[in-house]
Amino acid sequence: EIVLTQSPATLSLSPGDRATLSCRASQSVMNYLAWYQQKPGQAPRLLIYDASNRATGVPVRFSGSGSGTDFTLTISSLEPEDFAVYYCQQRINWPPLTFGPGTKVDVK
Amino acid sequence: DVQLVESGGGVVQPGGSLRLSCIASGFTFDDYAIHWVRQAPGKGLEWVSHINGNGDSTYYADSVKGRFTISRDNSKNSLYLQMNSLRSEDTAFYYCATRGGTYFFDYWGQGTLVTVSS
Repeated sequence: EIVLTQSPATLSLSPGDRATLSCRASQSVMNYLAWYQQKPGQAPRLLIYDASNRATGVPVRFSGSGSGTDFTLTISSLEPEDFAVYYCQQRINWPPLTFGPGTKVDVK
Repeated sequence: DVQLVESGGGVVQPGGSLRLSCIASGFTFDDYAIHWVRQAPGKGLEWVSHINGNGDSTYYADSVKGRFTISRDNSKNSLYLQMNSLRSEDTAFYYCATRGGTYFFDYWGQGTLVTVSS
């Protein structure tokens, strides 16, 4: 099973700040990694797929990078609606499909 | 527009059973595999099960293997999760999810809450 770890667990920032979230895999997932955003009371929303491709309708301030075992989600300038929990997920080696434990971006 | 609507959640005693449903619309249902993903209240996401488009291939997380059964009825655009021998640790929101143009979870339902408690 591929284990994904995310850091930090919580990121306290202000609107307009740059956010950098990390996801590390226990073994290479090549570029088969996605990022999701989840707000309270809502289902997750796909933001980034295949490590660096924005999903339909995702603002350009969201970008993904990395390959192999180390990945980054960057939000260039936080908007009020971006405060949420972010999860990474791999699909190269399954079952099981696995998610990281999440990074909460909250208001400083 | 693609829509996934789950139902069937509720409160059940440990050892009990429950059947969840997910009705899909807005896409050719039998062309796509569908998954169940769960989330315990305040916790992270956990993949539960997968079924392919024609229903002849299924996978399960170890935590539910032998207790849960995934199935689909393509004539009704419906996905099911039969959950038996329920435990307190199965308490969670259960989402059905499927891919769109990517091979990840482009589309999610709103979730249905299963509470296992005496």
